[in-house]
Parts: sequence; structure tokens; C-alpha cells
Amino acid sequence: DQQVKQNSPSLSVQEGRISILNCDYTNSMFDYFLWYKKYPAEGPTFLISISSIKDKNEDGRFTVFLNKSAKHLSLHIVPSQPGDSAVYFCAATSYSGAGSYQLTFGKGTKLSVIP
Amino acid sequence: DVKVTQSSRYLVKRTGEKVFLECVQDMDHENMFWYRQDPGLGLRLIYFSYDVKMKEKGDIPEGYSVSREKKERFSLILESASTNQTSMYLCARSHRGGYTFGSGTRLTVV
Repeated sequence: DQQVKQNSPSLSVQEGRISILNCDYTNSMFDYFLWYKKYPAEGPTFLISISSIKDKNEDGRFTVFLNKSAKHLSLHIVPSQPGDSAVYFCAATSYSGAGSYQLTFGKGTKLSVIP
Repeated sequence: DVKVTQSSRYLVKRTGEKVFLECVQDMDHENMFWYRQDPGLGLRLIYFSYDVKMKEKGDIPEGYSVSREKKERFSLILESASTNQTSMYLCARSHRGGYTFGSGTRLTVV
């Protein structure tokens, strides 16, 4: 049972326009949500996160919105740049005991920004 | 900045070989993880460890084992490599909820 879902495997956006990547989750015990960006042949790098008690977090061109009632979050990139082309993973953390948190990932969305 | 180092970027192994994937972190953090990434499947957790000599199965542990003899080193072991274990393997460490990933090891089993 997939607890974090990214239903769009790919997205193409024109340079300068907005990219919106979506993510749905089923586990109401998740307390933090994160977005990771991954280039081919590299490990994922942290992009932005949001606490479950907030509904918006902004960092430069990146904004994450959380709708807890709908169990939905989205990442907005404005304006999109060719260097943003990568696979974006939505992830959520839950407490797994012994002082540790576990990350659950979605399957990823490949973003292509067209110059 | 915390560094997570995976010893090999690319590996090619034969079916049936025993394969060791090494991961080292440069901080004294307890929690370490092994994931594999496959197209269309995202990142899937294989094993994780809370501390030295402790290990927990993740979502897809079959065909794998791990070793954590020292806090800074977490090794993933493929006892008898098979072609369906061809994948990108990613090691991560976490501390207070933050995760840092290594650059990954692209393993091909032929």
C-alpha cells in the first residue's frame, strides 16, 4: 500500500512558467513533508520541507503548500528554469521509535523545463 | 556539511557473486539507511540501522543483508547477486529528522 503517491510520472513546462508538482498521502501520522530533487547518477538533495502544522513554506523560487484535510501537498517552482529539470521526490516522515524517523518516498515526477 | 560517501559510483558484477556496497558518514550519527531507486518505482527502503550492530528490515529486504560494526559505516551485502538487483543504490544518514544522501552506486548484475 503506497502511503505517498505522486500520480504524474512526468511533467513538461516552458522556461519562465510555473511548475506544479503534486503529492498525495494516506497516513495522517506523517509529521513532516519534504521535497527532494535528483539528477541522474547523483543522490537526492533536499529542496524544501513543511511541518504538518503549517500550510505554506516558501524558499526563493520554491513554495510548498500543504492541505491536511485533503492529504495533499504541492511544490510550486516560479519561474521554472532549465536547471530545474530533474526527478522530484515527495517524502514524508513518521516516528519509527528509538528516537528515529523514517522517510517514505513517492515514486517521483520527472520535470522537464523546455528553454 | 555532513558527508555520506559511497565507495563506488559504478559496479558490474556477475550473477551469483557476493557484493558489498560500502557507505561511510563523517559525523557520529546513529541512523543510516539503504535505498534502491528504480524507474517508475521511486526510492524503496531495503534496510536501516539505529546504531552499531542494530539493523531493521525495510520494505524490500529479500536478497540483502547489512552490517553495522562501526557507527560511521553501514554496509549493504548482496549474498548472491541476481539480475533483478541491477539498480541504483543510495545510502543515507539522518539526524534530527534531516536526511543526507550519498551520490549512489549504480550496480549492474550480468
